[in-house]
Amino acid sequence: DAGVTQSPTHLIKTRGQQVTLRCSPKSGHDTVSWYQQALGQGPQFIFQYYEEEERQRGNFPDRFSGHQFPNYSSELNVNALLLGDSALYLCASSFETGRNEQYFGPGTRLTVT
Amino acid sequence: DAKTTQPPSMDCAEGRAANLPCNHSTISGNEYVYWYRQIHSQGPQYIIHGLKNNETNEMASLIITEDRKSSTLILPHATLRDTAVYYCIVRGPHNFNKFYFGSGTKLNVKP
Repeated sequence: DAGVTQSPTHLIKTRGQQVTLRCSPKSGHDTVSWYQQALGQGPQFIFQYYEEEERQRGNFPDRFSGHQFPNYSSELNVNALLLGDSALYLCASSFETGRNEQYFGPGTRLTVT
Repeated sequence: DAKTTQPPSMDCAEGRAANLPCNHSTISGNEYVYWYRQIHSQGPQYIIHGLKNNETNEMASLIITEDRKSSTLILPHATLRDTAVYYCIVRGPHNFNKFYFGSGTKLNVKP
């Protein structure tokens, strides 16, 4: 049973560019959440997708957007990249119902130069 | 969600029990306590969660005080592989699936 997978593992982009990160949830999970983790800090919640809609959003600008597909996989898009967007981006999946412990992927390390 | 307070770092000798405290004095009656850990540069790993009763699984035990204002995660026999940042998170049904991660406790297990 595959856990949460993310791609790519590492990514280097230039300031002003756009980036797309991908996530496949754990088998049977229907909810995907995205987190940003800056170096030395805890993960910060970006948003959550369920039934292909954004259900909750953290304190992130509109440059951060996402999508969920019918197979429950998800994408995180970041436009007009800033140096401060350099971070580890984590995807977590869970069941929509129940107490919903989240299972995290290994993350994508984004470096903006 | 109720916020949590954890010590920034702790040391533990290999083979001994590691007891990681967490204060969550503003917790509400329907909020759960979750523990995750993050080994360097990996995704956080779920450890255990509970509401009011003590919980135990193959990884750890969770002790929640009777007033629910604090809890302790116990790793009964710490190994070097348990060296990680441990996050205590309080989450309730009004903020479904959103986990607020604080700064966590860096546990250093030493030989």
